Amino acid sequence: GEDVEQSLFLSVREGDSSVINCTYTDSSSTYLYWYKQEPGAGLQLLTYIFSNMDMKQDQRLTVLLNKKDKHLSLRIADTQTGDSAIYFCAEKGGGYQKVTFGTGTKLQVIP
Amino acid sequence: KAGVTQTPRYLIKTRGQQVTLSCSPISGHRSVSWYQQTPGQGLQFLFEYFSETQRNKGNFPGRFSGRQFSNSRSEMNVSTLELGDSALYLCASSPAAGATDTQYFGPGTRLTVL
Repeated sequence: GEDVEQSLFLSVREGDSSVINCTYTDSSSTYLYWYKQEPGAGLQLLTYIFSNMDMKQDQRLTVLLNKKDKHLSLRIADTQTGDSAIYFCAEKGGGYQKVTFGTGTKLQVIP
Repeated sequence: KAGVTQTPRYLIKTRGQQVTLSCSPISGHRSVSWYQQTPGQGLQFLFEYFSETQRNKGNFPGRFSGRQFSNSRSEMNVSTLELGDSALYLCASSPAAGATDTQYFGPGTRLTVL
C-alpha cells in the first residue's frame, strides 16, 4: 500500500529557513500536499503541488518535488515562532482516491 | 463565513459503548470527510460523504459508520467502543467530492475511551 515518510523533528532558529522533507512510495500520486497542525487545532492546508510540476512558490513557502526519487520538500523562508507546529505531507491519486498522510514533522522555532 | 464545526469537542466513553460525532461543513460545501488521528497510527482516512452518499472509505472495521444529511451535515458513529478508538476525530469539508485541494478542517473531537 501507499506509504509516506517524514522525519519526526526539526529545530531551527528564528529567521533561518526550514526545510521539511517527505518521501512517498505511490508512483501514481497525482496531488501532494503540505498541512500544518497547531496544538489543539485541526489541520490547515498550506499548499499543494500537482505531480507534473517540480516547484511551487507561495509567499514564504516553496515546495519542491522530485518525482523520480518520490521526494517532496517544504521550505519555509524567514521562519517565525508562529511557524512552530506539526507539518504533514500527504499524497493522493486522482479522482476519489483517499489521502495518505505522513507521520508528521514537529517544527520547533527557537527565538 | 463560519468554518467547519464539530461537536462535541471532547468526549469520554467506556468500552462497549457507542458514540456519535457531528460535523457541520462550511456553508455551500457538500462534501464531508472524516479522519482519525492517533499517536500510533497517525492520520488515517475514514470515509467521505457527498450528496448523502458515501463516496470513499478507508480501512476501518464496520463499527465505524457515518451518514450525511440533506443539509450536508454529517455524523460519524462508532459502536462497541474499544480502548484503541481513543483519538482525535477530524472532519473536513470541501465544495465537491474528492476536492482535497479546497478542503477545510474542523478543530476535531477528542474521544477518550476508558
